[in-house]
Amino acid sequence: EVQLVESGGGLVKPGGSLRLSCAASGFTFSSYNMNWVRQAPGKGLEWVSSISSSSSFIYYADSVKGRFTISRDNAKNSLCLQMNSLRAEDTAVYYCARDATVTTSVYAFDIWGQGTMVTVSS
Amino acid sequence: QSALTQPASVSGSPGQSITISCTGTSSDVGSYNLVSWYQQHPNKAPKLMIYEGSKRPSGVSNRFSGSKSGNTASLTISGLQAEDEADYYCCSYAGSSTLIFGGGTKLTVL
Repeated sequence: EVQLVESGGGLVKPGGSLRLSCAASGFTFSSYNMNWVRQAPGKGLEWVSSISSSSSFIYYADSVKGRFTISRDNAKNSLCLQMNSLRAEDTAVYYCARDATVTTSVYAFDIWGQGTMVTVSS
Repeated sequence: QSALTQPASVSGSPGQSITISCTGTSSDVGSYNLVSWYQQHPNKAPKLMIYEGSKRPSGVSNRFSGSKSGNTASLTISGLQAEDEADYYCCSYAGSSTLIFGGGTKLTVL
Protein backbone atom coordinates (compact mmCIF):
# COMPACT_ATOMS: atom_id res chain seq x y z
CA GLU A 1 0.00 0.00 0.00
CA VAL A 2 1.27 3.44 -0.92
CA GLN A 3 1.56 5.35 2.32
CA LEU A 4 3.02 8.44 3.97
CA VAL A 5 3.15 8.67 7.76
CA GLU A 6 4.15 11.88 9.51
CA SER A 7 5.49 12.16 13.02
CA GLY A 8 7.22 14.66 15.27
CA GLY A 9 4.47 17.16 15.94
CA GLY A 10 3.76 18.56 19.36
CA LEU A 11 3.61 21.63 21.58
CA VAL A 12 6.54 24.05 21.39
CA LYS A 13 7.13 27.54 22.76
CA PRO A 14 7.52 30.55 20.45
CA GLY A 15 11.09 30.73 19.24
CA GLY A 16 11.56 27.00 19.69
CA SER A 17 12.35 24.25 17.21
CA LEU A 18 10.73 21.06 16.04
CA ARG A 19 11.65 18.40 13.49
CA LEU A 20 8.94 16.64 11.52
CA SER A 21 9.45 13.35 9.75
CA CYS A 22 7.52 11.57 7.03
CA ALA A 23 8.02 7.85 6.38
CA ALA A 24 7.19 6.66 2.89
CA SER A 25 6.29 3.12 1.85
CA GLY A 26 4.74 1.25 -1.04
CA PHE A 27 6.41 3.23 -3.83
CA THR A 28 9.85 4.18 -5.14
CA PHE A 29 10.41 7.17 -2.89
CA SER A 30 13.61 8.25 -4.63
CA SER A 31 11.74 8.88 -7.89
CA TYR A 32 9.32 11.49 -6.60
CA ASN A 33 9.53 15.13 -5.65
CA MET A 34 8.07 15.62 -2.17
CA ASN A 35 6.33 18.44 -0.37
CA TRP A 36 5.06 19.81 2.92
CA VAL A 37 1.65 21.48 3.11
CA ARG A 38 0.10 22.89 6.28
CA GLN A 39 -3.36 23.77 7.49
CA ALA A 40 -3.98 26.06 10.43
CA PRO A 41 -6.96 25.12 12.63
CA GLY A 42 -10.18 25.89 10.77
CA LYS A 43 -8.26 27.44 7.88
CA GLY A 44 -7.24 26.54 4.36
CA LEU A 45 -4.25 24.75 2.92
CA GLU A 46 -0.87 26.44 2.54
CA TRP A 47 2.06 25.09 0.55
CA VAL A 48 5.21 25.17 2.69
CA SER A 49 8.13 23.58 0.86
CA SER A 50 9.18 21.24 -1.94
CA ILE A 51 12.25 19.11 -2.57
CA SER A 52 13.19 17.36 -5.80
CA SER A 53 13.80 13.63 -5.98
CA SER A 54 17.57 13.96 -5.67
CA SER A 55 17.48 16.97 -3.31
CA SER A 56 18.97 19.13 -6.06
CA PHE A 57 16.15 21.65 -5.98
CA ILE A 58 14.53 23.02 -2.84
CA TYR A 59 11.86 25.69 -2.56
CA TYR A 60 10.08 27.43 0.30
CA ALA A 61 7.07 29.65 0.81
CA ASP A 62 8.06 33.18 1.80
CA SER A 63 6.34 32.67 5.16
CA VAL A 64 8.88 30.04 6.24
CA LYS A 65 11.99 30.92 4.23
CA GLY A 66 15.05 31.18 6.43
CA ARG A 67 13.38 29.36 9.32
CA PHE A 68 12.41 25.95 7.90
CA THR A 69 14.65 23.42 6.19
CA ILE A 70 13.38 20.51 4.09
CA SER A 71 15.50 17.43 3.53
CA ARG A 72 15.18 13.82 2.52
CA ASP A 73 17.02 10.52 2.88
CA ASN A 74 16.25 8.31 -0.09
CA ALA A 75 18.06 5.36 1.48
CA LYS A 76 15.66 5.53 4.42
CA ASN A 77 12.56 6.56 2.42
CA SER A 78 12.11 9.55 4.65
CA LEU A 79 11.33 13.25 4.35
CA CYS A 80 12.01 15.81 7.07
CA LEU A 81 11.12 19.37 7.92
CA GLN A 82 13.33 21.16 10.44
CA MET A 83 11.39 24.10 11.87
CA ASN A 84 13.27 26.81 13.79
CA SER A 85 12.25 30.16 15.26
CA LEU A 86 8.67 28.96 15.46
CA ARG A 87 5.85 31.47 15.72
CA ALA A 88 2.24 31.22 16.83
CA GLU A 89 1.18 31.51 13.20
CA ASP A 90 3.05 28.29 12.40
CA THR A 91 0.44 26.39 14.42
CA ALA A 92 -1.10 23.92 11.97
CA VAL A 93 -1.48 20.35 10.86
CA TYR A 94 1.52 19.57 8.68
CA TYR A 95 1.05 17.14 5.80
CA CYS A 96 3.71 15.53 3.66
CA ALA A 97 2.56 14.98 0.11
CA ARG A 98 3.90 13.27 -2.99
CA ASP A 99 4.09 14.86 -6.42
CA ALA A 100 1.60 13.25 -8.78
CA THR A 101 4.19 12.47 -11.46
CA VAL A 102 7.74 11.15 -11.59
CA THR A 103 8.72 13.17 -14.62
CA THR A 104 8.19 16.90 -15.06
CA SER A 105 6.23 18.14 -12.06
CA VAL A 106 2.58 18.98 -12.60
CA TYR A 107 2.57 20.70 -9.20
CA ALA A 108 -0.18 18.47 -7.87
CA PHE A 109 -0.08 16.07 -4.94
CA ASP A 110 -1.63 12.64 -5.24
CA ILE A 111 -0.62 10.95 -1.98
CA TRP A 112 -0.93 12.67 1.42
CA GLY A 113 -0.10 11.58 4.91
CA GLN A 114 -2.56 11.83 7.78
CA GLY A 115 -0.84 14.94 9.11
CA THR A 116 0.90 15.83 12.35
CA MET A 117 -0.20 18.72 14.57
CA VAL A 118 2.23 21.45 15.55
CA THR A 119 1.15 23.89 18.23
CA VAL A 120 3.27 26.94 18.99
CA SER A 121 2.20 28.48 22.26
CA SER A 122 3.66 29.68 25.53
CA GLN B 1 0.98 36.53 -2.67
CA SER B 2 -2.68 36.44 -1.67
CA ALA B 3 -4.65 33.21 -1.72
CA LEU B 4 -6.69 32.38 -4.79
CA THR B 5 -10.30 33.49 -4.41
CA GLN B 6 -12.99 30.87 -3.96
CA PRO B 7 -16.60 31.27 -2.78
CA ALA B 8 -16.88 30.40 0.89
CA SER B 9 -19.77 28.05 0.26
CA VAL B 10 -21.90 26.49 -2.43
CA SER B 11 -24.82 24.11 -2.20
CA GLY B 12 -26.89 21.86 -4.39
CA SER B 13 -29.42 19.07 -4.26
CA PRO B 14 -28.64 15.45 -5.07
CA GLY B 15 -28.45 14.92 -8.81
CA GLN B 16 -27.81 18.57 -9.58
CA SER B 17 -24.58 20.11 -10.88
CA ILE B 18 -22.54 22.77 -9.13
CA THR B 19 -19.51 24.79 -10.13
CA ILE B 20 -16.85 26.18 -7.83
CA SER B 21 -14.77 29.07 -9.14
CA CYS B 22 -11.16 29.85 -8.34
CA THR B 23 -9.92 33.29 -9.32
CA GLY B 24 -6.28 34.19 -9.45
CA THR B 25 -4.16 36.57 -11.47
CA SER B 26 -2.15 36.65 -14.66
CA SER B 27 0.84 35.56 -12.55
CA ASP B 28 -0.66 32.25 -11.50
CA VAL B 29 -3.93 30.79 -12.83
CA GLY B 30 -3.81 32.87 -15.97
CA SER B 31 -0.25 32.00 -16.90
CA TYR B 32 -0.12 28.26 -16.38
CA ASN B 33 -2.31 25.25 -17.05
CA LEU B 34 -1.30 23.88 -13.67
CA VAL B 35 -4.39 24.19 -11.52
CA SER B 36 -5.29 21.31 -9.25
CA TRP B 37 -8.35 20.67 -7.10
CA TYR B 38 -8.57 18.85 -3.78
CA GLN B 39 -11.47 17.43 -1.82
CA GLN B 40 -11.18 17.34 1.96
CA HIS B 41 -13.65 15.69 4.29
CA PRO B 42 -13.62 16.74 7.97
CA ASN B 43 -10.49 15.63 9.81
CA LYS B 44 -9.17 13.87 6.73
CA ALA B 45 -6.25 14.52 4.43
CA PRO B 46 -6.95 16.24 1.12
CA LYS B 47 -7.60 14.10 -1.96
CA LEU B 48 -6.49 15.07 -5.46
CA MET B 49 -9.49 15.36 -7.78
CA ILE B 50 -8.17 17.30 -10.78
CA TYR B 51 -4.68 18.23 -11.97
CA GLU B 52 -3.33 20.21 -14.91
CA GLY B 53 -6.64 22.02 -15.02
CA SER B 54 -8.81 19.21 -16.33
CA LYS B 55 -7.15 15.83 -15.86
CA ARG B 56 -8.59 13.28 -13.45
CA PRO B 57 -6.37 10.90 -11.49
CA SER B 58 -7.16 7.23 -11.77
CA GLY B 59 -10.10 6.35 -9.56
CA VAL B 60 -11.71 9.79 -9.49
CA SER B 61 -15.28 9.82 -10.75
CA ASN B 62 -15.94 11.40 -14.14
CA ARG B 63 -18.61 13.46 -12.40
CA PHE B 64 -15.73 15.79 -11.51
CA SER B 65 -14.39 18.04 -14.25
CA GLY B 66 -12.15 21.08 -14.43
CA SER B 67 -11.77 24.00 -16.78
CA LYS B 68 -10.18 27.43 -17.03
CA SER B 69 -10.96 30.75 -18.63
CA GLY B 70 -8.51 33.59 -18.25
CA ASN B 71 -7.56 34.01 -14.62
CA THR B 72 -10.40 31.83 -13.33
CA ALA B 73 -10.41 28.06 -12.97
CA SER B 74 -13.55 26.07 -12.25
CA LEU B 75 -14.47 22.71 -10.77
CA THR B 76 -17.80 21.24 -11.82
CA ILE B 77 -19.43 18.36 -10.01
CA SER B 78 -22.34 16.78 -11.84
CA GLY B 79 -24.90 14.38 -10.45
CA LEU B 80 -24.27 15.56 -6.88
CA GLN B 81 -24.15 12.84 -4.27
CA ALA B 82 -24.25 13.03 -0.50
CA GLU B 83 -20.62 11.90 -0.24
CA ASP B 84 -19.52 14.91 -2.30
CA GLU B 85 -20.22 17.12 0.72
CA ALA B 86 -16.76 18.35 1.71
CA ASP B 87 -14.38 21.28 1.47
CA TYR B 88 -12.78 21.90 -1.92
CA TYR B 89 -9.51 23.72 -2.54
CA CYS B 90 -7.96 24.90 -5.76
CA CYS B 91 -4.22 25.26 -6.14
CA SER B 92 -2.15 26.89 -8.85
CA TYR B 93 1.48 27.04 -9.84
CA ALA B 94 2.64 30.60 -9.25
CA GLY B 95 6.06 30.59 -10.89
CA SER B 96 9.53 30.01 -9.42
CA SER B 97 8.42 26.55 -8.28
CA THR B 98 5.96 27.97 -5.77
CA LEU B 99 2.30 27.11 -5.28
CA ILE B 100 -0.70 29.02 -4.04
CA PHE B 101 -3.94 27.59 -2.69
CA GLY B 102 -7.42 29.01 -2.66
CA GLY B 103 -9.21 29.77 0.59
CA GLY B 104 -11.49 26.77 0.21
CA THR B 105 -15.18 26.23 -0.55
CA LYS B 106 -17.57 24.30 1.65
CA LEU B 107 -19.96 22.24 -0.47
CA THR B 108 -23.27 21.36 1.13
CA VAL B 109 -25.49 18.73 -0.44
CA LEU B 110 -29.03 19.67 0.53
